[in-house]
Amino acid sequence: GNSVTQMEGPVTLSEEAFLTINCTYTATGYPSLFWYVQYPGEGLQLLLKATKADDKGSNKGFEATYRKETTSFHLEKGSVQVSDSAVYFCALIVGGGNKLTFGTGTQLKVEL
Amino acid sequence: NAGVTQTPKFQVLKTGQSMTLQCAQDMNHNSMYWYRQDPGMGLRLIYYSASEGTTDKGEVPNGYNVSRLNKREFSLRLESAAPSQTSVYFCASIYDRSSYEQYFGPGTRLTVT
Repeated sequence: GNSVTQMEGPVTLSEEAFLTINCTYTATGYPSLFWYVQYPGEGLQLLLKATKADDKGSNKGFEATYRKETTSFHLEKGSVQVSDSAVYFCALIVGGGNKLTFGTGTQLKVEL
Repeated sequence: NAGVTQTPKFQVLKTGQSMTLQCAQDMNHNSMYWYRQDPGMGLRLIYYSASEGTTDKGEVPNGYNVSRLNKREFSLRLESAAPSQTSVYFCASIYDRSSYEQYFGPGTRLTVT
């Protein structure tokens, strides 16, 4: 089956620090990969996506590169802000399906 | 556009009570989903509806029923609530398979005592 593994949180950083949240996956087929973000008290919203190997998704200063050889899609940001504090979910969809498989989420806390 | 709306926001039930969670979207999306979110478990799919008039089970359908009332609305019913159903429930929708991006509602926090 399909699965997504994320690093456990919480991740606590100081403002302007570099962020990496690791994500690896297993999939039966050729997946599209996503990062969703959930701010406190809200639903999830799409942060970025990549649909084929070596694609880089980017949005709001966040980036992630689809690495087929390592089955990974790590999320990075060069300088985090307090407003980035949220839970981040890695997810995938395989082939023509439309059912997302989510990781367990990683909570990020950014402090001044 | 309101996007995806859910009611209620919060609910407390006693074991054995029933209730229906409501979800509506105004984006003319074809597919709709119900997830539950539990600590350390991420989001798990309960049921989905690929199009109006169809519904299918997800990973954790036991104890739930759904109705796709029309293209806009997709409700989730708990017939006899159990403490194991204490969770945050999210509804989501997507236009079609090529769209990829699911739009989520704000969630319903349900506690079963």
